[in-house]
Amino acid sequence: KAGVTQTPRYLIKTRGQQVTLSCSPISGHRSVSWYQQTPGQGLQFLFEYFSETQRNKGNFPGRFSGRQFSNSRSEMNVSTLELGDSALYLCASSPGTGRTYEQYFGPGTRLTVT
Amino acid sequence: AQTVTQSQPEMSVQEAETVTLSCTYDTSENNYYLFWYKQPPSRQMILVIRQEAYKQQNATENRFSVNFQKAAKSFSLKISDSQLGDTAMYFCASTFSGGYNKLIFGAGTRLAVHP
Repeated sequence: KAGVTQTPRYLIKTRGQQVTLSCSPISGHRSVSWYQQTPGQGLQFLFEYFSETQRNKGNFPGRFSGRQFSNSRSEMNVSTLELGDSALYLCASSPGTGRTYEQYFGPGTRLTVT
Repeated sequence: AQTVTQSQPEMSVQEAETVTLSCTYDTSENNYYLFWYKQPPSRQMILVIRQEAYKQQNATENRFSVNFQKAAKSFSLKISDSQLGDTAMYFCASTFSGGYNKLIFGAGTRLAVHP
C-alpha cells in the first residue's frame, strides 16, 4: 500500500496570505488528523476529519480550517498567515474505526511565512 | 488536562548498547493508548511501538520494548543493540477517550547513537 502523501512538501508565503495544504491518506483509511510541529511548541493537534466530518479539534484559532472529501483526501487551510505559522505541518491517517488507533504520518509540508 | 512528559531532552548511547527513554503521563482515564514515535532527520514520523492501557503485558517489537507501569503512569522505551540508524528524535504520545485519533505528544528526546 502506498503511504500517506502530502503536497506540497515546501511552501514559502508572505504574511497576510492564505495557504492550502493537501493530504492523501493510506488507501482504506477514513480518518485524517493534522498536526503542527514547531521548535517552541512541539507537536500540537490541529483537527481530525472522519467521513468528511470534523470529529476532533485542537486549540487553534479559526484561521486554521480543514475539510475532507469523499475519497478521504483532506485539505488544511490557513488564512491571514502570521510569522508564527511557520512550521512543519504533518498529517496522519488511520482506519478511524475499530480498536486500531495507530496513526501513520506523511512526510510533512514545511511552511515558511516571511 | 491530559499531559505527556519526557524529561530527557537528549541522550546518547554507543552502538550495540542498550538505552532507555523515559515518559510519564497524566490522566484520570482508565482506557487509553500509548505510543512511541521516531522522527529521524528526514522528519518522517515513524510508529515504533504501541501499548493498550488495558493490557498488562509489555509490548515488544524486535529490539524495541516498553516498560508500562500503569499505576505510576510511566511508559519507558528500551532500545536494545542500538544501531546508528536509531539516531532520531523519539516522541512519546498518548490518546485518550473522546479523541482516540488525537495524539498528545511529549516534547521529545533526541537520541544519538555513536559508533
